[in-house]
Amino acid sequence: AQSVTQLDSHVSVSEGTPVLLRCNYSSSYSPSLFWYVQHPNKGLQLLLKYTSAATLVKGINGFEAEFKKSETSFHLTKPSAHMSDAAEYFCVVSAVGGNTPLVFGKGTRLSVIA
Amino acid sequence: DSGVTQTPKHLITATGQRVTLRCSPRSGDLSVYWYQQSLDQGLQFLIQYYNGEERAKGNILERFSAQQFPDLHSELNLSSLELGDSALYFCASSGGWDHIYNEQFFGPGTRLTVL
Repeated sequence: AQSVTQLDSHVSVSEGTPVLLRCNYSSSYSPSLFWYVQHPNKGLQLLLKYTSAATLVKGINGFEAEFKKSETSFHLTKPSAHMSDAAEYFCVVSAVGGNTPLVFGKGTRLSVIA
Repeated sequence: DSGVTQTPKHLITATGQRVTLRCSPRSGDLSVYWYQQSLDQGLQFLIQYYNGEERAKGNILERFSAQQFPDLHSELNLSSLELGDSALYFCASSGGWDHIYNEQFFGPGTRLTVL
């Protein structure tokens, strides 16, 4: 069975400061890991994905995530927050091999203060 | 634009009624997934179809059913609706050339309100 735990339900940062959204995963085998973002009243957009090719994954809009197997973590970071980053972020796990359901974390709401 | 379309965008109905939500996957994708997003349960997987066959089932109520047609579009049927069924219902697809990593592409969702 797979699961993800997002350690913060809400994170608030000032514009221009770094962003850190924390995620721990549990999986009995090598997982695929994703971060999705959901802006208010919008659908889900893929930010980045870990597919075992590299432990540091670069995504869209300046976001990165690092896969740390020893810590079972996949934290999302961005060096400098922008107002447009305010949204709900979901850490997601699935089995490698394709065509399997995604398991979502409960989400972290990111607020960016001007 | 993900390439996944869902209709309708909004649906308002009464308790006890039945509704059908429709999803067209990305061109070339064989898998369609249905997810429910509600305030208390978060984002939950409901059911998956792969090339017309049911592939996996999640927390889907017996009042709900789905199917995938030969042209690969899918429909989610919700019957005997209750107030608690009010939620955002997402469809996602995968199974194209990048399917091995299971990246799923999400539609814009159907917001269901049961009054």
